[in-house]
Amino acid sequence: DIQMTQFPSSVSASVGDRVTITCRASQDISSWLAWYQQKPGNAPKLLIYLASTLQIGVPSRFSGSGSGTDFTLTISRLQPEDFATYFCQQANRFPLTFGGGTKVEIK
Amino acid sequence: QVQLQESGPGLVKPSETLSLTCTVSGGSISDNYWNWIRQSPGRGLEWIGYIYYSGSTNYNPSFKSRVSISVDTSKNHISLKLSSVTAADTAVYFCARGLGGDFGAEYFQVWGQGTLVTVSS
Repeated sequence: DIQMTQFPSSVSASVGDRVTITCRASQDISSWLAWYQQKPGNAPKLLIYLASTLQIGVPSRFSGSGSGTDFTLTISRLQPEDFATYFCQQANRFPLTFGGGTKVEIK
Repeated sequence: QVQLQESGPGLVKPSETLSLTCTVSGGSISDNYWNWIRQSPGRGLEWIGYIYYSGSTNYNPSFKSRVSISVDTSKNHISLKLSSVTAADTAVYFCARGLGGDFGAEYFQVWGQGTLVTVSS
């Protein structure tokens, strides 16, 4: 199975900050990566797929980049509704696997 | 818009079979991949498997010997059965629809709210 490692596991930030989350795959996954946002008690929400394609309806302050083994999710100006946990997921090979999550907390 | 709702027993005894149903409303089961995913504090998010509306399946090898996913297009239901459960199967179980198009099976666009299943005697 492809292992997905996210870091940091948590980050404290303020409204308006730029936040970057990293995801590393245990092998080359090309651009087959998604990012999800999850708030407590809710299901994950698809933000980005194919590493950098924004899902319809997702604000443009979210962006994704990377290919191969290293990927980043950037929130350009953090908004109050962005405090949540973010997961990456590789889509290159079955079984599909997820990262352990990065919690974005209020500073 | 499509909505998914998981249902089933919230408590299952060890060694028994976990059975859940995902009801699809506001859309058709056709032309999509339907996944089961679970989440627990110890194991994080785990993809269990998918079924295509035509009935073809793909399971995570970690579950392969215990899992069965089926579809009933007449009822707009997707079902999950996981046999010989242990406490390690305690988790929130989600059904999720694939993104569709060229990425039908790889990404999860629509999710149910999830249902907590506890394995305990």
